[in-house]
Amino acid sequence: NAGVTQTPKFRILKIGQSMTLQCTQDMNHNYMYWYRQDPGMGLKLIYYSVGAGITDKGEVPNGYNVSRSTTEDFPLRLELAAPSQTSVYFCASSLSRDYTFGSGTRLTVV
Amino acid sequence: DAKTTQPPSMDCAEGRAANLPCNHSTISGNEYVYWYRQIHSQGPQYIIHGLKNNETNEMASLIITEDRKSSTLILPHATLRDTAVYYCIVRDDDYKLSFGAGTTVTVRA
Repeated sequence: NAGVTQTPKFRILKIGQSMTLQCTQDMNHNYMYWYRQDPGMGLKLIYYSVGAGITDKGEVPNGYNVSRSTTEDFPLRLELAAPSQTSVYFCASSLSRDYTFGSGTRLTVV
Repeated sequence: DAKTTQPPSMDCAEGRAANLPCNHSTISGNEYVYWYRQIHSQGPQYIIHGLKNNETNEMASLIITEDRKSSTLILPHATLRDTAVYYCIVRDDDYKLSFGAGTTVTVRA
């Protein structure tokens, strides 16, 4: 039982490049979330999903897209990377009350 | 979701109890109080949650005042590994967690 797995752990992007942050959970959780955390700050919700085929915007969705074709996977897409997207990205899943977080992806846009 | 107020930082001696306060004066009847912690740059870790009654698990105890406007997380015997940022979160049934700045707890030997 791996929990929530995020790949890659680190990535450097050039401005304007695109990439997909992968997130997979093996706990059969319905709810999945993407957060970003800037240095010294709390986590901010980007997108979330309440089940396969259903996604919704969080607090800071601009510049990102998501999809949820299966219960297990919830990838986050950055289409045109900008320096403001330099951050640590956390994926999480939950069945009802408590969240399980992945170990994060540290992204730098230069 | 209701807002929470936590002290930005606090120190604790190793082996002593750590009492972390949280104010949530605008909490409504169906909102739960959750506590998470984040050690260094890892993903946040669930600690405990409660609605009205006090709760205890293997990690901590949660004391919620009768009017539910504040709560205290108690780490009974703090260790160096408890050094982390602790987040108090109030959440209703929409399954989204909103993280504030939290309290940076430093456990000292």
